[in-house]
Amino acid sequence: AQSVAQPEDQVNVAEGNPLTVKCTYSVSGNPYLFWYVQYPNRGLQFLLKYITGDNLVKGSYGFEAEFNKSQTSFHLKKPSALVSDSALYFCAVTTSGTYKYIFGTGTRLKVLA
Amino acid sequence: NAGVMQNPRHLVRRRGQEARLRCSPMKGHSHVYWYRQLPEEGLKFMVYLQKENIIDESGMPKERFSAEFPKEGPSILRIQQVVRGDSAAYFCASSRARSGGTDTQYFGPGTRLTVL
Repeated sequence: AQSVAQPEDQVNVAEGNPLTVKCTYSVSGNPYLFWYVQYPNRGLQFLLKYITGDNLVKGSYGFEAEFNKSQTSFHLKKPSALVSDSALYFCAVTTSGTYKYIFGTGTRLKVLA
Repeated sequence: NAGVMQNPRHLVRRRGQEARLRCSPMKGHSHVYWYRQLPEEGLKFMVYLQKENIIDESGMPKERFSAEFPKEGPSILRIQQVVRGDSAAYFCASSRARSGGTDTQYFGPGTRLTVL
């Protein structure tokens, strides 16, 4: 069965410091991986996705994620965090030929001024 | 270019009433997906529809829940005789083609249903 794990419920980071939000997955076949961000009382905004090709994917608002097949991970990163990055981040996975996104439980990112 | 639109944003119902949630996909998108988010949990797939067709409703409870996506108008998620356990955020997503990785699902702002 496909699954996604976000091992940290919350990540705190100081403004200006690099941030990492972790995601690991389990699928049969090649994964398609996504990151979404949810601000309070808002929907999910698409940040970036990995389908194939370069393992480092660049997305919106300066975020990037690295696909690591051997570790089955897709961690979200940003070199310098902003207070406005504080939100709930979701990792999701699907595979070719399917359409159900399997979501992790989310990681709350708090960037402290 | 308007994104996925959902209404109402907040819906309060008493136990036993009906809830109707609407979703208008992005322009040019003909594939709609509904997900439910319970408090402190991730989103869970409910149903996938194309115009006038339900493709997969495997994530939907067998009773009281139904969905449609008519030829004209928005997709509707209908919950009959709501119970407190139905309280959740319901998100709609759309894609241009059948989403299998290359076509990203874009999400609406959600409808937060509260059952009293």
